Amino acid sequence: AQSVTQLGSHVSVSEGALVLLRCNYSSSVPPYLFWYVQYPNQGLQLLLKYTTGATLVKGINGFEAEFKKSETSFHLTKPSAHMSDAAEYFCAVRQAAGNKLTFGGGTRVLVKP
Amino acid sequence: NAGVMQNPRHLVRRRGQEARLRCSPMKGHSHVYWYRQLPEEGLKFMVYLQKENIIDESGMPKERFSAEFPKEGPSILRIQQVVRGDSAAYFCASSPDRLSSGNTIYFGEGSWLTVV
Repeated sequence: AQSVTQLGSHVSVSEGALVLLRCNYSSSVPPYLFWYVQYPNQGLQLLLKYTTGATLVKGINGFEAEFKKSETSFHLTKPSAHMSDAAEYFCAVRQAAGNKLTFGGGTRVLVKP
Repeated sequence: NAGVMQNPRHLVRRRGQEARLRCSPMKGHSHVYWYRQLPEEGLKFMVYLQKENIIDESGMPKERFSAEFPKEGPSILRIQQVVRGDSAAYFCASSPDRLSSGNTIYFGEGSWLTVV
């Protein structure tokens, strides 16, 4: 069975500061990895994904994430936070041969002016 | 808009009533997934369907919940005799025929069920 752990259910950052959201997974084989963002009362929007190839993945809105197999991690970063980044972020994994996403508990980001 | 369409967006039901949530997948997608998001929690997988087939229902509660995806029309998630604990956001997602590395699951805007 696979699982996803997001360290920190709430993160507060100042506008312009680095955003770092942590995601660790457990899986018997390297899975496909995803980050989604959810704005209040809305659905999930895909930020970025890692399947194969380059381990540093760039996504929308200036976000990027790095797959580190040795650390079973897929942390999400953004160099400079913007007020519009305030949302909840979910890390998810899927087995290459599977169709089911397993989500972490989510991290709510608050951006202070 | 060719995205995943869910309706209703908001639904209020009294305890004991039935709730029906509908999902129309993206054009060209024949696989549908339902996820539930309880307050202050992440999304939990419920069921995965293809047209006229339930492929994986390992996340569905054993009682009161059912899902279908008929040959024609939207997928429906049905909750009978709702209880307060069913209050949650229910998300539908869809994907093409087969998920390969290049394919992504696309989510709808969600249906928020409130049981009073």
